[in-house]
Amino acid sequence: GQNIDQPTEMTATEGAIVQINCTYQTSGFNGLFWYQQHAGEAPTFLSYNVLDGLEEKGRFSSFLSRSKGYSYLLLKELQMKDSASYLCAVLSGNTGKLIFGQGTTLQVKP
Amino acid sequence: DSGVTQTPKHLITATGQRVTLRCSPRSGDLSVYWYQQSLDQGLQFLIQYYNGEERAKGNILERFSAQQFPDLHSELNLSSLELGDSALYFCASGTGQGHSPLHFGNGTRLTVT
Repeated sequence: GQNIDQPTEMTATEGAIVQINCTYQTSGFNGLFWYQQHAGEAPTFLSYNVLDGLEEKGRFSSFLSRSKGYSYLLLKELQMKDSASYLCAVLSGNTGKLIFGQGTTLQVKP
Repeated sequence: DSGVTQTPKHLITATGQRVTLRCSPRSGDLSVYWYQQSLDQGLQFLIQYYNGEERAKGNILERFSAQQFPDLHSELNLSSLELGDSALYFCASGTGQGHSPLHFGNGTRLTVT
């Protein structure tokens, strides 16, 4: 079976740094994706990790530990527009199918 | 713009009815994935097609069916609709080769009254 856990909600201040954690238990793990979704809109791709370690992309970084079944998304220099849901998704098997966690709703306050 | 087109944007219908949702994938993508997103739930995987063939199946109800046509567009058919089927239905496309990200359409918001 598949189990992906993320905190439901987080709040942070504009200009600060926030870390959103994701733990997973899954068979056939082939990588982990992070997506951003604004309310009522389509999810958009942020990052992909398949090997252990940190991937940095501008203000966003993502980390993966396969042995611990753990990932996090780090957002730096938070902006108001970063208020959104952040979805952790596990790549299951080799068909490209993604299994999503419930998502973490991040609210950025002035 | 993801390049994935979904129609219609909104759909309001009554219980017991049948609707069809349509998706055109990004140019070059052979695989289409359907997801359901209800208010308090995450994205639930329904079904995947690759080059016209069913590739993977998730928690798709028997009242729901899908297909992918030779021109690679896909349709999701929802029948005997119930109030609980009200949700956002997303289509995503990808290469079907694994580590390439999925690109999502803007979704169809279905309201069953």
